[in-house]
Amino acid sequence: GENVEQHPSTLSVQEGDSAVIKCTYSDSASNYFPWYKQELGKRPQLIIDIRSNVGEKKDQRIAVTLNKTAKHFSLHITETQPEDSAVYFCAARYGGATNKLIFGTGTLLAVQP
Amino acid sequence: EAEVAQSPRYKITEKSQAVAFWCDPISGHATLYWYRQILGQGPELLVQFQDESVVDDSQLPKDRFSAERLKGVDSTLKIQPAELGDSAMYLCASSLQGPASPLHFGNGTRLTVT
Repeated sequence: GENVEQHPSTLSVQEGDSAVIKCTYSDSASNYFPWYKQELGKRPQLIIDIRSNVGEKKDQRIAVTLNKTAKHFSLHITETQPEDSAVYFCAARYGGATNKLIFGTGTLLAVQP
Repeated sequence: EAEVAQSPRYKITEKSQAVAFWCDPISGHATLYWYRQILGQGPELLVQFQDESVVDDSQLPKDRFSAERLKGVDSTLKIQPAELGDSAMYLCASSLQGPASPLHFGNGTRLTVT
Protein backbone atom coordinates (compact mmCIF):
# COMPACT_ATOMS: atom_id res chain seq x y z
CA GLY A 1 0.00 0.00 0.00
CA GLU A 2 0.90 3.66 -0.05
CA ASN A 3 2.74 4.27 3.18
CA VAL A 4 5.99 5.60 4.53
CA GLU A 5 7.33 4.14 7.75
CA GLN A 6 9.37 6.43 9.98
CA HIS A 7 11.52 5.59 12.99
CA PRO A 8 12.02 6.43 15.75
CA SER A 9 8.86 8.20 16.86
CA THR A 10 10.80 10.09 19.54
CA LEU A 11 14.49 10.86 19.81
CA SER A 12 16.33 12.62 22.60
CA VAL A 13 19.96 13.68 22.18
CA GLN A 14 22.44 15.86 23.98
CA GLU A 15 23.40 19.15 22.40
CA GLY A 16 26.31 18.58 20.04
CA ASP A 17 25.45 14.95 19.35
CA SER A 18 24.18 13.64 16.02
CA ALA A 19 20.62 12.56 15.29
CA VAL A 20 19.49 10.08 12.66
CA ILE A 21 15.92 9.47 11.49
CA LYS A 22 15.07 6.66 9.08
CA CYS A 23 12.21 6.13 6.65
CA THR A 24 11.20 3.31 4.34
CA TYR A 25 8.86 3.36 1.37
CA SER A 26 7.27 0.65 -0.75
CA ASP A 27 7.00 2.03 -4.31
CA SER A 28 10.13 1.37 -6.36
CA ALA A 29 8.99 4.14 -8.73
CA SER A 30 9.22 6.79 -6.00
CA ASN A 31 11.67 9.45 -7.10
CA TYR A 32 11.43 12.42 -4.73
CA PHE A 33 12.03 12.42 -0.97
CA PRO A 34 11.65 15.65 1.02
CA TRP A 35 12.08 16.23 4.75
CA TYR A 36 9.99 18.72 6.68
CA LYS A 37 10.53 20.30 10.10
CA GLN A 38 7.50 21.34 12.10
CA GLU A 39 7.93 23.40 15.24
CA LEU A 40 5.13 23.44 17.78
CA GLY A 41 2.11 25.29 16.43
CA LYS A 42 3.80 26.16 13.14
CA ARG A 43 3.60 25.02 9.54
CA PRO A 44 5.79 22.20 8.19
CA GLN A 45 8.81 23.67 6.43
CA LEU A 46 11.01 21.97 3.89
CA ILE A 47 14.56 21.55 5.17
CA ILE A 48 16.11 19.29 2.56
CA ASP A 49 15.07 17.02 -0.28
CA ILE A 50 16.68 14.39 -2.48
CA ARG A 51 15.84 12.87 -5.84
CA SER A 52 16.35 9.27 -6.84
CA ASN A 53 19.30 9.98 -9.13
CA VAL A 54 21.38 11.09 -6.14
CA GLY A 55 22.61 8.99 -3.22
CA GLU A 56 23.41 11.75 -0.76
CA LYS A 57 22.85 15.46 -0.31
CA LYS A 58 24.22 17.82 2.31
CA ASP A 59 23.29 21.29 3.50
CA GLN A 60 25.47 22.53 6.36
CA ARG A 61 24.63 20.34 9.40
CA ILE A 62 21.89 18.40 7.61
CA ALA A 63 22.33 15.51 5.21
CA VAL A 64 20.03 12.99 3.60
CA THR A 65 21.04 9.60 2.23
CA LEU A 66 19.01 7.40 -0.12
CA ASN A 67 19.28 3.66 -0.69
CA LYS A 68 17.01 2.88 -3.65
CA THR A 69 17.69 -0.84 -3.54
CA ALA A 70 16.54 -1.14 0.05
CA LYS A 71 13.89 1.58 -0.40
CA HIS A 72 14.96 3.61 2.57
CA PHE A 73 16.29 7.09 3.22
CA SER A 74 17.64 8.82 6.28
CA LEU A 75 18.05 12.30 7.73
CA HIS A 76 21.27 13.07 9.54
CA ILE A 77 21.69 16.12 11.75
CA THR A 78 25.16 16.76 13.13
CA GLU A 79 26.19 19.05 15.99
CA THR A 80 22.60 19.32 17.16
CA GLN A 81 21.42 22.52 18.80
CA PRO A 82 18.37 23.22 21.00
CA GLU A 83 16.70 25.02 18.09
CA ASP A 84 16.74 21.73 16.17
CA SER A 85 14.06 20.48 18.58
CA ALA A 86 10.90 19.89 16.53
CA VAL A 87 8.91 17.18 14.80
CA TYR A 88 10.53 15.94 11.58
CA PHE A 89 8.51 14.33 8.79
CA CYS A 90 9.86 12.39 5.87
CA ALA A 91 7.83 12.00 2.69
CA ALA A 92 8.00 10.07 -0.54
CA ARG A 93 6.46 10.86 -3.88
CA TYR A 94 4.52 7.88 -5.13
CA GLY A 95 4.54 8.01 -8.90
CA GLY A 96 2.58 6.60 -11.80
CA ALA A 97 -1.18 6.89 -11.56
CA THR A 98 -0.86 7.75 -7.87
CA ASN A 99 1.42 10.78 -8.15
CA LYS A 100 1.12 12.08 -4.62
CA LEU A 101 3.31 12.86 -1.64
CA ILE A 102 2.90 10.48 1.29
CA PHE A 103 4.18 11.55 4.71
CA GLY A 104 5.69 9.49 7.47
CA THR A 105 4.31 9.55 10.99
CA GLY A 106 6.90 11.96 12.33
CA THR A 107 9.80 11.97 14.78
CA LEU A 108 9.82 14.23 17.80
CA LEU A 109 13.43 15.32 18.27
CA ALA A 110 14.40 16.81 21.62
CA VAL A 111 17.87 18.31 21.94
CA GLN A 112 18.87 18.63 25.58
CA PRO A 113 21.13 21.59 26.42
CA GLU B 1 9.16 35.28 0.55
CA ALA B 2 5.72 34.37 -0.81
CA GLU B 3 3.53 32.30 1.49
CA VAL B 4 0.41 30.20 1.29
CA ALA B 5 -2.45 32.03 3.00
CA GLN B 6 -5.12 30.20 4.96
CA SER B 7 -8.12 31.36 6.96
CA PRO B 8 -9.39 31.13 9.55
CA ARG B 9 -6.51 30.12 11.85
CA TYR B 10 -8.90 28.62 14.38
CA LYS B 11 -12.47 27.39 14.12
CA ILE B 12 -14.69 25.96 16.82
CA THR B 13 -17.98 24.50 15.71
CA GLU B 14 -20.64 22.20 17.02
CA LYS B 15 -21.18 18.81 15.45
CA SER B 16 -23.66 18.77 12.58
CA GLN B 17 -22.76 22.34 11.64
CA ALA B 18 -21.10 23.34 8.38
CA VAL B 19 -17.57 24.75 8.23
CA ALA B 20 -15.46 26.12 5.41
CA PHE B 21 -11.76 26.79 5.06
CA TRP B 22 -10.07 28.99 2.51
CA CYS B 23 -6.62 28.79 0.94
CA ASP B 24 -4.71 31.09 -1.39
CA PRO B 25 -1.60 29.40 -2.83
CA ILE B 26 1.64 31.00 -3.87
CA SER B 27 1.16 32.85 -7.16
CA GLY B 28 2.00 30.67 -10.14
CA HIS B 29 1.73 27.37 -8.28
CA ALA B 30 -0.35 25.00 -10.37
CA THR B 31 -0.80 22.29 -7.76
CA LEU B 32 -2.79 22.79 -4.56
CA TYR B 33 -3.20 20.29 -1.75
CA TRP B 34 -5.41 19.93 1.30
CA TYR B 35 -3.92 17.79 4.05
CA ARG B 36 -5.41 16.82 7.40
CA GLN B 37 -3.06 16.46 10.35
CA ILE B 38 -4.22 14.80 13.54
CA LEU B 39 -2.13 15.62 16.60
CA GLY B 40 0.93 13.40 16.73
CA GLN B 41 0.56 12.13 13.18
CA GLY B 42 1.84 13.03 9.75
CA PRO B 43 -0.21 15.02 7.24
CA GLU B 44 -2.74 12.91 5.32
CA LEU B 45 -3.67 14.01 1.80
CA LEU B 46 -7.37 14.76 1.38
CA VAL B 47 -7.43 16.29 -2.09
CA GLN B 48 -4.96 17.39 -4.73
CA PHE B 49 -5.72 19.87 -7.52
CA GLN B 50 -3.83 20.47 -10.72
CA ASP B 51 -5.04 23.90 -11.80
CA GLU B 52 -8.81 23.62 -11.37
CA SER B 53 -9.03 19.84 -11.74
CA VAL B 54 -9.07 17.28 -8.95
CA VAL B 55 -6.31 14.73 -9.56
CA ASP B 56 -6.67 12.81 -6.30
CA ASP B 57 -9.44 12.77 -3.72
CA SER B 58 -9.25 9.12 -2.79
CA GLN B 59 -9.02 9.88 0.95
CA LEU B 60 -11.66 12.60 1.00
CA PRO B 61 -14.83 11.54 2.85
CA LYS B 62 -17.08 12.61 0.03
CA ASP B 63 -20.31 12.16 1.94
CA ARG B 64 -19.43 15.19 4.07
CA PHE B 65 -16.36 16.87 2.58
CA SER B 66 -16.14 18.89 -0.61
CA ALA B 67 -13.37 20.94 -2.18
CA GLU B 68 -13.22 23.28 -5.10
CA ARG B 69 -10.71 25.42 -6.93
CA LEU B 70 -12.96 27.04 -9.47
CA LYS B 71 -10.54 29.39 -11.24
CA GLY B 72 -7.44 27.39 -10.58
CA VAL B 73 -6.19 29.82 -7.97
CA ASP B 74 -7.67 29.86 -4.45
CA SER B 75 -9.54 26.95 -2.96
CA THR B 76 -12.24 26.17 -0.42
CA LEU B 77 -12.64 23.02 1.66
CA LYS B 78 -16.06 22.44 3.20
CA ILE B 79 -17.33 20.00 5.79
CA GLN B 80 -21.05 19.45 6.21
CA PRO B 81 -22.06 18.16 8.68
CA ALA B 82 -19.03 18.29 10.95
CA GLU B 83 -18.39 15.33 13.24
CA LEU B 84 -16.34 15.07 16.44
CA GLY B 85 -13.72 13.03 14.62
CA ASP B 86 -13.08 15.89 12.20
CA SER B 87 -11.19 17.83 14.88
CA ALA B 88 -7.71 18.29 13.42
CA MET B 89 -5.38 20.74 11.72
CA TYR B 90 -6.26 21.33 8.08
CA LEU B 91 -3.20 22.31 6.09
CA CYS B 92 -3.18 23.75 2.62
CA ALA B 93 -0.05 23.53 0.50
CA SER B 94 0.96 24.44 -3.02
CA SER B 95 3.77 23.52 -5.37
CA LEU B 96 4.95 24.78 -8.70
CA GLN B 97 4.11 21.63 -10.63
CA GLY B 98 3.02 18.44 -8.93
CA PRO B 99 4.33 16.57 -5.87
CA ALA B 100 7.82 16.17 -7.31
CA SER B 101 8.38 19.88 -6.64
CA PRO B 102 8.70 21.30 -3.11
CA LEU B 103 5.45 21.79 -1.21
CA HIS B 104 4.94 25.06 0.64
CA PHE B 105 2.48 24.88 3.51
CA GLY B 106 0.17 27.47 4.97
CA ASN B 107 -0.22 27.98 8.71
CA GLY B 108 -3.29 25.75 8.76
CA THR B 109 -6.74 25.93 10.28
CA ARG B 110 -7.15 24.28 13.67
CA LEU B 111 -10.69 22.85 13.76
CA THR B 112 -12.35 21.82 17.00
CA VAL B 113 -15.73 20.14 16.79
CA THR B 114 -17.69 20.07 20.06
